[in-house]
Amino acid sequence: SYVLTQPPSVSVAPGQTARITCGGINIGRKSVHWYQQKPGQAPVVVLYDDTDRPSGIPERFSGSNSGNTATLTISRVEAGDEADYYCQVWETRNVVFGGGTKMTVL
Amino acid sequence: EVQLLQSGGGLVKPGGSLRLSCAASGFTFRRHAMSWFRQAPGKGLEWVAGIDGSAERTFYADSVKGRFTISRDNARNTVYLSMNSLRVEDTAIYYCARETGGATTPPWFDPWGQGTLATVS
Repeated sequence: SYVLTQPPSVSVAPGQTARITCGGINIGRKSVHWYQQKPGQAPVVVLYDDTDRPSGIPERFSGSNSGNTATLTISRVEAGDEADYYCQVWETRNVVFGGGTKMTVL
Repeated sequence: EVQLLQSGGGLVKPGGSLRLSCAASGFTFRRHAMSWFRQAPGKGLEWVAGIDGSAERTFYADSVKGRFTISRDNARNTVYLSMNSLRVEDTAIYYCARETGGATTPPWFDPWGQGTLATVS
């Protein structure tokens, strides 16, 4: 089965840029979606199809996907961005998630 | 407003059964595939099952195949997850979610229900 690998944690100071990676074999050939989950809440999609933002998601959230790594970039990090972030792809008809990255805003 | 409202869940003994419901509003329900996910305490997200808009096709994670059944009633705008032969390791918060997009790219999930806790102990 297809495996997605994320770093368990990332720490960033307010106003700085956070980058959360999602590794997978030839993931650049797949469409990657990213979800944000705050404590006690359901996940919310923040990026779909590698780089597209749903309405209501700030422009500070951006993405890239090439080779074996997809990246979620959060610019000008705010305290409210502190959350768990998950990448997601499809493998045949199965949904695959990365293990999640806990982003701490220092 | 597009919304998914979940009900069901609770505490059950190993080997028991539970049925979760997810009532949709604010969109044309029959046009969207739906999925169930779960999240064990302190763990990540796991897809559990999916069903297409017409209920003709269903899909399951290997971990629940043969024990869980996803179904939907398009007249009631509701998707269900029937869970049988429950195990301690099935303890989790369960979420329903709508498949979105998918015309030119694999679909994503938006929105999600609020989650409901199923405890097997």
